[in-house]
Amino acid sequence: GNSVTQMEGPVTLSEEAFLTINCTYTATGYPSLFWYVQYPGEGLQLLLKATKADDKGSNKGFEATYRKETTSFHLEKGSVQVSDSAVYFCALFLRDNQFYFGTGTSLTVIP
Amino acid sequence: EAGVTQSPTHLIKTRGQQATLRCSPISGHTSVYWYQQALGLGLQFLLWYDEGEERNRGNFPPRFSGRQFPNYSSELNVNALELEDSALYLCASSQTRDSFQYFGAGTRLSVL
Repeated sequence: GNSVTQMEGPVTLSEEAFLTINCTYTATGYPSLFWYVQYPGEGLQLLLKATKADDKGSNKGFEATYRKETTSFHLEKGSVQVSDSAVYFCALFLRDNQFYFGTGTSLTVIP
Repeated sequence: EAGVTQSPTHLIKTRGQQATLRCSPISGHTSVYWYQQALGLGLQFLLWYDEGEERNRGNFPPRFSGRQFPNYSSELNVNALELEDSALYLCASSQTRDSFQYFGAGTRLSVL
């Protein structure tokens, strides 16, 4: 079946620390991969995406590379800020028009 | 441009009652999706509507149903509410059936 496995949280980092949130997937076919972010009290926002192998998505200093050989799409940021505190969801999207989400990773950045 | 709007923000019901949640997609978007975000379960796909028709359905019982209106807005109905239906229900819309989904802020349903 199709599924996304995300690193469990919560994750607590100091400001300017390096962030990695691991995401691996299982999919039939050729999925597109996404990271969504959910700030406190808000809905999901698209953070970045990659639609084929070796694509790198980037936005707001976050990056993730679609690695077909390891079925991974790890999220990274070189220097986190307090404003990055949120829940991050990895997701895959298939031609059946379904998103399959990971369970989310809560990130707290402390000053 | 207004985003996806959902109402109400919060909804409190008791077991056995029915809940109706509403969603207005971004203008020009014809597809609407519903997801359930339950504690500890992450986001799970519920329903997908496109051009007024139900196109796909997740692994939920029939008491979860909905519809899409001619103006592309949508309703999610949950009948015979159970305690475990307490969750955040997210609606998303996309311009076409293959394009990105933009999410609303959700309706938090509490079943007492």
